[in-house]
Amino acid sequence: GAVVSQHPSRVICKSGTSVKIECRSLDFQATTMFWYRQFPKQSLMLMATSNEGSKATYEQGVEKDKFLINHASLTLSTLTVTSAHPEDSSFYICSARDFRVGGTGELFFGEGSRLTVL
Amino acid sequence: QQQVKQSPQSLIVQKGGISIINCAYENTAFDYFPWYQQFPGKGPALLIAIRPDVSEKKEGRFTISFNKSAKQFSLHIMDSQPGDSATYFCAASTEAGTALIFGKGTTLSVSS
Repeated sequence: GAVVSQHPSRVICKSGTSVKIECRSLDFQATTMFWYRQFPKQSLMLMATSNEGSKATYEQGVEKDKFLINHASLTLSTLTVTSAHPEDSSFYICSARDFRVGGTGELFFGEGSRLTVL
Repeated sequence: QQQVKQSPQSLIVQKGGISIINCAYENTAFDYFPWYQQFPGKGPALLIAIRPDVSEKKEGRFTISFNKSAKQFSLHIMDSQPGDSATYFCAASTEAGTALIFGKGTTLSVSS
């Protein structure tokens, strides 16, 4: 089945630094990927929709200059948390929908990336 | 974001019992309703999904019941096992490729 891979799975950084998280669709092309954020014991909150070859669409309240999204190819989207602060510590999860012919259209999720900002 | 309301927040069920989690939605444009299971430190994994042209879908011990007029859908886990202990999320979206909107989640504990 389709697989979405995220890297790194865990990252610890100092306050003020930037962190890049990669999301790859391993066996299908994804023109659209979605980035979610999940705080402990809370639900997944959509941050932005990443579109291949164009600008990402951000949800209300998400700072586009802080959370930079790049979707340079049909299999890779990156999320960069710039000038990270402790309040950015969270579980970041990407997802992509498999729209291949004959596919289910299922939305597959990566394993998530745990960011801890000291 | 359109809201998807999920209840209960937590649920304790004895081994072999039936776990029932309910969700309600507002946006009548939604036409795809999946349930996800998430273990601590992992991404969510699709359990089962339904589209509004059917009222029930069963896969193994998992059943979705869908009530279009009431804008509600529920997950039933039959013969619940300790390995089912996890957080369950309902979600909804349109088929046009929009992102899933998630409920707040239900933490299920199955006691042995």
